[in-house]
Amino acid sequence: NAGVTQTPKFQVLKTGQSMTLQCAQDMNHEYMSWYRQDPGMGLRLIHYSVGAGITDQGEVPNGYNVSRSTTEDFPLRLLSAAPSQTSVYFCASSTQGLDRQYFGPGTRLTVT
Amino acid sequence: AQTVTQSQPEMSVQEAETVTLSCTYDTSENNYYLFWYKQPPSRQMILVIRQEAYKQQNATENRFSVNFQKAAKSFSLKISDSQLGDTAMYFCAFTHFTNFGNEKLTFGTGTRLTIIP
Repeated sequence: NAGVTQTPKFQVLKTGQSMTLQCAQDMNHEYMSWYRQDPGMGLRLIHYSVGAGITDQGEVPNGYNVSRSTTEDFPLRLLSAAPSQTSVYFCASSTQGLDRQYFGPGTRLTVT
Repeated sequence: AQTVTQSQPEMSVQEAETVTLSCTYDTSENNYYLFWYKQPPSRQMILVIRQEAYKQQNATENRFSVNFQKAAKSFSLKISDSQLGDTAMYFCAFTHFTNFGNEKLTFGTGTRLTIIP
């Protein structure tokens, strides 16, 4: 199993550009989440999904869109990047009855 | 809403010594999990140890153990015989169980631990 994979590892965007951060897992987990990590603030939940076709907002959802068309994939879209979205982004997955989450390696995004 | 507080931004200790990282949390839930995650310079989030709130016995994993005080809402991590590889950022995290599971984690701000040779 590859576990949770994220692409790209690094990305630089200009203000106003759009992009999609990819997240995939091969463990058949129904729960997937996106977090952002900023210096001095720990990780904060952006969006999460409890299954294909079901998504909901977390603590800091503004500026991000998600969809979940398959169990395996949970992409995070930035429609118009802003410098405030400069951060490290983590995807995580889990399943009912599993008392932990598995994290991807993270994507470092810089918006200039 | 749940909150997790780590009041020690940075700590350092000599190799082979014991160090304790503090964490407090606030919740009105009764059924929840607490975690310590380690984040080395590689950025990977690594689960160190977890504690179920309904279990009175403190969790242990080799050199890592916790002191879980439910009434005080305190969850500290003790690292014994510290090693250079323990140098990392450590995050305390909380999740309560919903009908769907534990899909949402609330993290503290982290403690940067440095092990000095």
